Order: sequence, then C-alpha cells, then structure tokens
Amino acid sequence: KAGVTQTPRYLIKTRGQQVTLSCSPISGHRSVSWYQQTPGQGLQFLFEYFSETQRNKGNFPGRFSGRQFSNSRSEMNVSTLELGDSALYLCASSLEAAVWDTQYFGPGTRLTVL
Amino acid sequence: AQTVTQSQPEMSVQEAETVTLSCTYDTSESDYYLFWYKQPPSRQMILVIRQEAYKQQNATENRFSVNFQKAAKSFSLKISDSQLGDAAMYFCAYRQRSGGSNYKLTFGKGTLLTVNP
Repeated sequence: KAGVTQTPRYLIKTRGQQVTLSCSPISGHRSVSWYQQTPGQGLQFLFEYFSETQRNKGNFPGRFSGRQFSNSRSEMNVSTLELGDSALYLCASSLEAAVWDTQYFGPGTRLTVL
Repeated sequence: AQTVTQSQPEMSVQEAETVTLSCTYDTSESDYYLFWYKQPPSRQMILVIRQEAYKQQNATENRFSVNFQKAAKSFSLKISDSQLGDAAMYFCAYRQRSGGSNYKLTFGKGTLLTVNP
C-alpha cells in the first residue's frame, strides 16, 4: 500500500497570502489529522477529520481551517499568513478514529512565510 | 490539559550499546494509549512502539522495549544494540479518549538521539 502523501512538499509564501495543503491518506483509512511542527512549539495538533466531519480541533486561530472529502483526502487552508506560520505541516491517517489506532504520518509540507 | 514531558533534549549512545529515553505524562484518565515515534532527518515520522494503559505487560518490538509505570505516569523507551540508523528525534505521545469521540494525540518536545560509531 502506498503511504500517506502530502503535496506540495515545499512552499514559499508571503505575509497576507493564503495557502492550501493537501493530504492523501493510506487507502482505506478514514481518519486524517493535521499537526504543525516548529522548533519552538514542537508538534501541535491542528484538527482531525473522520468521514468528512471535523471531530477534534486544537488551539489554533480561525485562520486555520480544513476539510475532508468523500474519498478521505483532506486539505488544510491557512488564510492571511503570518511569519509565525512558517512550519512543517504533518498529516497523519488512521483506519478509524479510535483511541487505539496507530497514526501513519506523511513526509510533511514545509511552509516558509516571508 | 494533558501534558507529555521528555526531560532529555539530547542523548547520545555508542553503536551496539543500550540507551533509555525518558517520558512522563500527566493525566487523570484511565483509558489511554502511549506511543513512541521516531523522526529521522528525512522527516517522516515512524511509529516505533505503542502501549495500552490497561496492559501491565511492557510492549516490545525487536530491539525496542518500554518500561511503563502507570502509577508513576512514566513511559521510557529502551533501545538495545543501538544502530547508526537509530539516530533520530524521538517523540513520546499520549492519546486518550475524552468526551465521547474526542481523541487527542499530544506529543512531547522530543529527544534527539545521536549514535556514535
């Protein structure tokens, strides 16, 4: 099976712009989670989707949003980019959204905001 | 709020030796899972091992094993016969069920492991 894929792998944007990141989960997986990784804050949970519904959300401003499609692919959007949004954004998929499920991570999208 | 603490920002070990990475967590829940993830320089996070809180037996995966002390809320990772490929950032993670289906995965800050030849 193919692993979790994320596109694009690298992205450079300027302040005030918006960006959309894409994640394709492992085939058959219905849960997708997003994380932001920065040197200062470490890994922080953004949100989790299951069957096209957001089931869980982290403590991020409303500029961060996401959605999941019927084929389980997910996108996250960041509007009005700030310098502090520069980070590695990781997507993880799991079979279901159960506490025991293992999350499989993608390679990440490196976002740089200038 | 649940927190995960990894008190060792960096560790080093000689090839073929054994190293233990520490992790403590704070929770009032009884139903949860603990994970160790590895993130090599290529950046792809890989699951190393997981432990169910209700199981007293420590999980083992080949050269990787954990020492799970539920009362002490401690979850350390032991790597035996360290190999150069073990060099990576290691993250301890906690996942619980709270408020119905509200599963949250919380990570520690990570421990950077260097393996010396």
